[in-house]
Amino acid sequence: SYELTQPPSVSVSPGQTATITCTGDKLGGKYACWYQQKPGQSPVLVIYEDTKRPSGIPARFSGSNSGNTATLTISGTQAMDEADYYCQAWDSNILVFGGGTKLTVL
Amino acid sequence: EVQLVESGGGVVRPGGSLRLSCAASGFKFDDYGMSWVRQAPGKGLEWVGGINWNGGRKDYADSVKGRFTISRDNAKNSLYLQMNSLRAEDTALYHCARGGAEGGIIVNWGQGTLVTVAS
Repeated sequence: SYELTQPPSVSVSPGQTATITCTGDKLGGKYACWYQQKPGQSPVLVIYEDTKRPSGIPARFSGSNSGNTATLTISGTQAMDEADYYCQAWDSNILVFGGGTKLTVL
Repeated sequence: EVQLVESGGGVVRPGGSLRLSCAASGFKFDDYGMSWVRQAPGKGLEWVGGINWNGGRKDYADSVKGRFTISRDNAKNSLYLQMNSLRAEDTALYHCARGGAEGGIIVNWGQGTLVTVAS
């Protein structure tokens, strides 16, 4: 079965750039999206189709996808961005999530 | 405003069955594929399965295939998850989601209903 691998945790200082990676076989040939989940809340879509931001998502969130790696970048990270982030892609009609990355802003 | 409200969760013994429901509002229900996603306590997200707009296509994760069945009633704007032969590892918060079927993105999530499988 298809797997997406994320680092368990990433730390960043306020105002700096956070980078979260997601790796999978030939992931660049698929669309990747990213969800943000804060404690006690349901996930929220922050990036879809590799690079697109849904309405209401701040411009500091951006995405890319090439080769085997999709990347979520948060520029000028704010304390409110502290959350778990999950990448997601489709493989053979099965929706696959990455294991999630806990972003700590300290 | 899109609303997805799950119900039907509870405590069930291993081997038992449970049926979850999801009431949808705020969008044209039969325009969208729908899905179920679960999250075990303290763990990550796991897609359970999805159903297309008219129920003609259903896909499932390997972990639930043959035990769980997704269905929908477009006249009632409702999504269902029939869970049979439940195991301890099925214990999770089950979210109803708009999208997550036939290659589509998950646009909205419900708050979830908790299923606990324990003896």
